[in-house]
Amino acid sequence: DSGVTQTPKHLITATGQRVTLRCSPRSGDLSVYWYQQSLDQGLQFLIQYYNGEERAKGNILERFSAQQFPDLHSELNLSSLELGDSALYFCASSLQGFYGYTFGSGTRLTVV
Amino acid sequence: AQRVTQPEKLLSVFKGAPVELKCNYSYSGSPELFWYVQYSRQRLQLLLRHISRESIKGFTADLNKGETSFHLKKPFAQEEDSAMYYCALSGYKGGSEKLVFGKGTKLTVNP
Repeated sequence: DSGVTQTPKHLITATGQRVTLRCSPRSGDLSVYWYQQSLDQGLQFLIQYYNGEERAKGNILERFSAQQFPDLHSELNLSSLELGDSALYFCASSLQGFYGYTFGSGTRLTVV
Repeated sequence: AQRVTQPEKLLSVFKGAPVELKCNYSYSGSPELFWYVQYSRQRLQLLLRHISRESIKGFTADLNKGETSFHLKKPFAQEEDSAMYYCALSGYKGGSEKLVFGKGTKLTVNP
């Protein structure tokens, strides 16, 4: 167990739907990062939160949004889902990024 | 801009042979570099960070600032080393230390 918990592990949903992915960071870590991993695009950085505030944004679509709550867990909301959104979504946490991240096991999203 | 290039998508070696996974980076400041390993689409695990100059599972990596490279090496590959390997760079910018990953190299160690 890496200490970063992601739920659910698997999600199958239809196009046009909305889903919420949840991440609990490792104890003591203030930063949460979301990544999308697909076969053709590799690991794409989506967004970072630090202690409840958005810190950096990457290649995140407008249909996607995230937040970090006072207890530091984070949620990634994906709406108006398309087939191309099917991917592994990883959450990672860190105390300070230059020490490296700890990754969760990911949520495998399948849009049908 | 931060960029990480792993020129080989696939690398295949025989057990006991030396292995080198290449990583080149582009960053204007002083980067922190990492290697992550991913077995069978599971979670990514931190393998090495250049800041600590450690050796994990027999792997080493040296930061060469002149060549902007951070190649991962192991003198004798084992079958259990078969996995995806990602090189990553962290540069502090705008209050964020986000990691930028290369596209990864799939290493296969044949018996």
